[in-house]
Amino acid sequence: AQSVAQPEDQVNVAEGNPLTVKCTYSVSGNPYLFWYVQYPNRGLQFLLKYITGDNLVKGSYGFEAEFNKSQTSFHLKKPSALVSDSALYFCAVRDRRESGTYKYIFGTGTRLKVLA
Amino acid sequence: EAGVTQFPSHSVIEKGQTVTLRCDPISGHDNLYWYRRVMGKEIKFLLHFVKESKQDESGMPNNRFLAERTGGTYSTLKVQPAELEDSGVYFCASSQERVASYEQYFGPGTRLTVT
Repeated sequence: AQSVAQPEDQVNVAEGNPLTVKCTYSVSGNPYLFWYVQYPNRGLQFLLKYITGDNLVKGSYGFEAEFNKSQTSFHLKKPSALVSDSALYFCAVRDRRESGTYKYIFGTGTRLKVLA
Repeated sequence: EAGVTQFPSHSVIEKGQTVTLRCDPISGHDNLYWYRRVMGKEIKFLLHFVKESKQDESGMPNNRFLAERTGGTYSTLKVQPAELEDSGVYFCASSQERVASYEQYFGPGTRLTVT
């Protein structure tokens, strides 16, 4: 069965420092991986996805993620954190069903806190 | 373009009562999904509509949950009767294509509290 793990409940980082939010996955076949962010009182917003191609994927708000097949990881990164990046981050994998349709399987979420 | 909208944003009900959540997907999106996040846990899939048809309802917790999408536009999710463990945030999402590498677009969620 497909699964996603986010090992950290919370990540604290100082403003201006690089940040990493970790995600590992377990899938059969090629993984389709996503990162979403949830700001307070808002819905989930798409950040970036990996489907195929370059292992380094660039997304919204200066975020990027590195797909590592050997380590089955898809960590979210940003070179310089902003206080406004403080939010809840979810990693997800697309699960293809026999019918040919899809659903997402999410991790438990990681709360990122950027300190001024 | 309007995004996915959900109503209400917050609902507090007593155990045994009925609640109906509504989701309006992005116009033209055939795929509509319901997810739920219980506090501190992962976001879990509930069900998937393609137009008005239920494509997959494997995530529905039990028969107290009923989802409909009449006419293939908005969807409702009814919980009857509500139990304490039904508390959580219910998200709706929509997407454009059936064989999708495209992302799903999420609504702001409905926070359901059952007391």
